[in-house]
Amino acid sequence: DAKTTQPPSMDCAEGRAANLPCNHSTISGNEYVYWYRQIHSQGPQYIIHGLKNNETNEMASLIITEDRKSSTLILPHATLRDTAVYYCIVRVWIDMRFGAGTRLTVKP
Amino acid sequence: NAGVTQTPKFQVLKTGQSMTLQCAQDMNHEYMSWYRQDPGMGLRLIHYSVGAGITDQGEVPNGYNVSRSTTEDFPLRLLSAAPSQTSVYFCASSDGLAGEYEQYFGPGTRLTVT
Repeated sequence: DAKTTQPPSMDCAEGRAANLPCNHSTISGNEYVYWYRQIHSQGPQYIIHGLKNNETNEMASLIITEDRKSSTLILPHATLRDTAVYYCIVRVWIDMRFGAGTRLTVKP
Repeated sequence: NAGVTQTPKFQVLKTGQSMTLQCAQDMNHEYMSWYRQDPGMGLRLIHYSVGAGITDQGEVPNGYNVSRSTTEDFPLRLLSAAPSQTSVYFCASSDGLAGEYEQYFGPGTRLTVT
């Protein structure tokens, strides 16, 4: 699976959009981009995934660049409960290789 | 739906003891897997199952056994616990193995081996 690079930490004001970047420059054509998050030591929570097209669900939006070498997770209206570690993963199979992730802190 | 459930939440074992970590899902998923999460190591796949009666090894299978007698349950057995198995264990389930299928994780079992 391709390696991903994320900033170690980010802050966001409550109510504002949180934009979390991820670089996956070595992604192959059949690898999907996934985002999960972990709040404290809870189980990883699925957020969203995509292959080529931008995706949106009730939690977030995923923007994938045309060359697929990077992506951005957007939480449109961040709340304090969105404070967590966010993981960007690229995968083609069951194996989930989490990196260090981005620690997002939402501040009042 | 409860999703993926795991018991116990916490467990302390002495070296050499055995125990079973329980995992159940109510989403009728064929595919289930076990991961361990260690600081600085991310998630590592231990074992996975593609259906009742069918299991296979992941990246770090040594010291662990699994079986899958029903679609719902996928227990992980530690045969003879070692301090190196101190970790947080997560069970996950999905509709498929391929990258297009999202995996749903349980809340985890925090295991300490002394």
